[in-house]
Amino acid sequence: RKEVEQDPGPFNVPEGATVAFNCTYSNSASQSFFWYRQDCRKEPKLLMSVYSSGNEDGRFTAQLNRASQYISLLIRDSKLSDSATYLCVVNTPYKLSFGAGTTVTVRA
Amino acid sequence: DGGITQSPKYLFRKEGQNVTLSCEQNLNHDAMYWYRQDPGQGLRLIYYSQIVNDFQKGDIAEGYSVSREKKESFPLTVTSAQKNPTAFYLCASRGQLNTEAFFGQGTRLTVV
Repeated sequence: RKEVEQDPGPFNVPEGATVAFNCTYSNSASQSFFWYRQDCRKEPKLLMSVYSSGNEDGRFTAQLNRASQYISLLIRDSKLSDSATYLCVVNTPYKLSFGAGTTVTVRA
Repeated sequence: DGGITQSPKYLFRKEGQNVTLSCEQNLNHDAMYWYRQDPGQGLRLIYYSQIVNDFQKGDIAEGYSVSREKKESFPLTVTSAQKNPTAFYLCASRGQLNTEAFFGQGTRLTVV
């Protein structure tokens, strides 16, 4: 079983739509969680850290469910500029494990 | 500006050659990482270092070597033993164990 698994998508949504996707992780000792955004042929950049109570940053909301070992990301009011691959990242002691990414395409 | 710098951005290697990818950071981070990314796939960990003069193998270390002689620098050598080295290589660093990582802009290596 992979350490971090994501729905690869692609999610193809119109501008203004809401899109949500999940990520599951296998190591119950995981201590911190992140969502990164990666544009084509670029390095990943931090979108948001995921806190145990869930957190919101503008149009983006992240949730963590430790009991079921999954993390979710919700994007409201999608913009064309939200088109990217979203990487779920799970921290186990000493290393970060990455999911393969969820591709989101927002169309006009 | 503080950051993490990788060079070169593009690198071409002949079969049988060793090449070294540079990674430098001025963020005063203790931990540094090397990842490999293949098209349509996630990042896979090659090597990581938690402190100067110490490093550990990641999930796909075969055919690679690293050194960590200075806190700021974590170069990666892709040796001729690496059978399929063509990929996008990303270096990252972070200050504390549970914090986010910061990435360099990556090196795209192609075997010709």
